[in-house]
Amino acid sequence: DAEITQSPRHKITETGRQVTLACHQTWNHNNMFWYRQDLGHGLRLIHYSYGVQDTNKGEVSDGYSVSRSNTEDLPLTLESAASSQTSVYFCASSDPGLLAGELFFGEGSRLTVL
Amino acid sequence: GDSVTQMEGPVTLSEEAFLTINCTYTATGYPSLFWYVQYPGEGLQLLLKATKADDKGSNKGFEATYRKETTSFHLEKGSVQVSDSAVYFCALRAVHNQGGKLIFGQGTELSVKP
Repeated sequence: DAEITQSPRHKITETGRQVTLACHQTWNHNNMFWYRQDLGHGLRLIHYSYGVQDTNKGEVSDGYSVSRSNTEDLPLTLESAASSQTSVYFCASSDPGLLAGELFFGEGSRLTVL
Repeated sequence: GDSVTQMEGPVTLSEEAFLTINCTYTATGYPSLFWYVQYPGEGLQLLLKATKADDKGSNKGFEATYRKETTSFHLEKGSVQVSDSAVYFCALRAVHNQGGKLIFGQGTELSVKP
C-alpha cells in the first residue's frame, strides 16, 4: 500500500544545531507540504512543493528550508534550531487538480529544542 | 487574507449525544471546504469535503453543508461514540489555489464519555 512516512518520530536537540526531518511518500504525488502543529494555532504551513525542483514558502517559513530533488522526498531542515521551533511537524502530500486539498498526512515528528 | 475559524474546545459529550462543531471561513469566491480528523498520536485524515455551495459532505455518520450565505461549514453527527474522540480541523482551499495548499482552523478537541 502507498504511504507517507516521517523520520525521526521523536527528536530532542539543542539550540543552534541543524536538524533535518525526513518525509518520504510512495503515492507518487506531485504536491508535498510541511506543516507545524502548535496548541492554539492549529496547523500552519511552513513550505510546500508542487514538483521536482519546485519549492515555496508558507506562512511560517523563517528558519526552515526544503529541497525537492525527486518526487518521493521533501526533507525539512532547521538551519539553527531555536526553542520556538519546538513543535510537532507533519508532512503531507496530494495529487494536483480536482483532488487537490485531499491531503495524505504522515504520523508526525515531535521535535524538542532545548 | 483567507482564514478559517472554529469553535473553541475542548468539547465533552456523553455517548449518543448530538455533535455540532462550528466552522466559518473568510475567502473570496467559492473555496473548497474540508473537515479533517486527528486521532490521538496520529496524523490527520480527511473526513469529508464539499466543493461548491449547498454541497453536503458526509462520511462515517458525520455531515457538513457548505453554506455560502453564512460562510459556514459546520460539522454534525447525530449520535457520537467514544471512538469519535479526536481533534477535528476545518480547512479551506482557495479558488485561486489549484495546488492543494490548505488553510486550517485551530482545531476542536472532542472527548466522548461512555
